[in-house]
Amino acid sequence: KAGVTQTPRYLIKTRGQQVTLSCSPISGHRSVSWYQQTPGQGLQFLFEYFSETQRNKGNFPGRFSGRQFSNSRSEMNVSTLELGDSALYLCASSLEGSSSGNTIYFGEGSWLTVV
Amino acid sequence: AQSVTQLGSHVSVSEGALVLLRCNYSSSVPPYLFWYVQYPNQGLQLLLKYTSAATLVKGINGFEAEFKKSETSFHLTKPSAHMSDAAEYFCAVSGGSARQLTFGSGTQLTVLP
Repeated sequence: KAGVTQTPRYLIKTRGQQVTLSCSPISGHRSVSWYQQTPGQGLQFLFEYFSETQRNKGNFPGRFSGRQFSNSRSEMNVSTLELGDSALYLCASSLEGSSSGNTIYFGEGSWLTVV
Repeated sequence: AQSVTQLGSHVSVSEGALVLLRCNYSSSVPPYLFWYVQYPNQGLQLLLKYTSAATLVKGINGFEAEFKKSETSFHLTKPSAHMSDAAEYFCAVSGGSARQLTFGSGTQLTVLP
């Protein structure tokens, strides 16, 4: 059974540009969440999607957005990139989401560097 | 609101020694608790989780954790450390209406030869 797949693994962008990251969850999982990991702030929740609907959103500015497709694949987008957006972006999938105690599986992450 | 405190951002142990990584949580509802491990340049791998079935939870790679409600703790232990255990470990909590994992700040484990 394939795990959570994230693409691209590494990317470099310039300030002011926008970026789109992709995530394919484990087959059968309907919940997809995104987390940002930085040395200073640690692991922070961005948002969660379930059956194409955003169920929960963390405390991030509107430049951070996401969506989920009918096949549960998800994308997140960051517009007008800032240097502080440099981070590891982790996608996680589960059957129903973390509130029900489901196991949450993480991908390898997408390393974003903003220069 | 839920929160997690991991005591000790860095822990060093000798190979073969006991590993003890501390985690205390705060939750107004019965929590689900998780321990994840992260190796360099990789994502998070689940070690074990507590979902109220049993207070002593056994995970992968010889790790286990005990849920103590009275102490609001979920400490991670392993009887004998291996060099391959060197990594960063994260404790996380979820539950109730919280539809996300709330992570602790992590503990970097170093295993000395």
